[in-house]
Amino acid sequence: AQKITQTQPGMFVQEKEAVTLDCTYDTSDQSYGLFWYKQPSSGEMIFLIYQGSYDEQNATEGRYSLNFQKARKSANLVISASQLGDSAMYFCAILIYNQGGKLIFGQGTELSVKP
Amino acid sequence: EAGVAQSPRYKIIEKRQSVAFWCNPISGHATLYWYQQILGQGPKLLIQFQNNGVVDDSQLPKDRFSAERLKGVDSTLKIQPAKLEDSAVYLCASSLEIRGTGQTEAFFGQGTRLTVV
Repeated sequence: AQKITQTQPGMFVQEKEAVTLDCTYDTSDQSYGLFWYKQPSSGEMIFLIYQGSYDEQNATEGRYSLNFQKARKSANLVISASQLGDSAMYFCAILIYNQGGKLIFGQGTELSVKP
Repeated sequence: EAGVAQSPRYKIIEKRQSVAFWCNPISGHATLYWYQQILGQGPKLLIQFQNNGVVDDSQLPKDRFSAERLKGVDSTLKIQPAKLEDSAVYLCASSLEIRGTGQTEAFFGQGTRLTVV
């Protein structure tokens, strides 16, 4: 079975500083994708960034980067230059391609950005 | 491009009543997911469809929950009878298979907030 673990229930960061949200995963499949989603208090799920298991370079999307360490099975999200609008829940997810695209989420990390 | 549509947005029912949620995915998206998200937790996958076939329903409480996806487009999730612990947000998501790249980003609807009293 696949599993995503996010060990930080809550995190605080000062505005304009960088923050790392941890994510580890467990799967025996070789072909998978890792996603990060943001969920503000309004409830919508917003896609942030994607990393494929065969991608050798870490993914980046604007202020978001994914620190992918395949041997450690970790996929940490780094947010640079935090903004007040970054305050939200952040979810890490794994998609297993050999299981028809099964998409499993972690428990989430609540990020609070302080002015 | 229209997003994933869900209705209703909110629903309050008494325990033992039945309820149904509707989802219209993004046009052309073959994969449709239903998730249950209890307050403060991550989304839990209930059922996944590929076109109109079930790919995974291992976490669907089949004694009370049912789901269908007619003609591989719209989907309905039903709870009968509801229990207090079913109070949650029910999220529908859809994704497009992109053969070759492997990237299948899932797009989410606004969700249906269910309160069982």
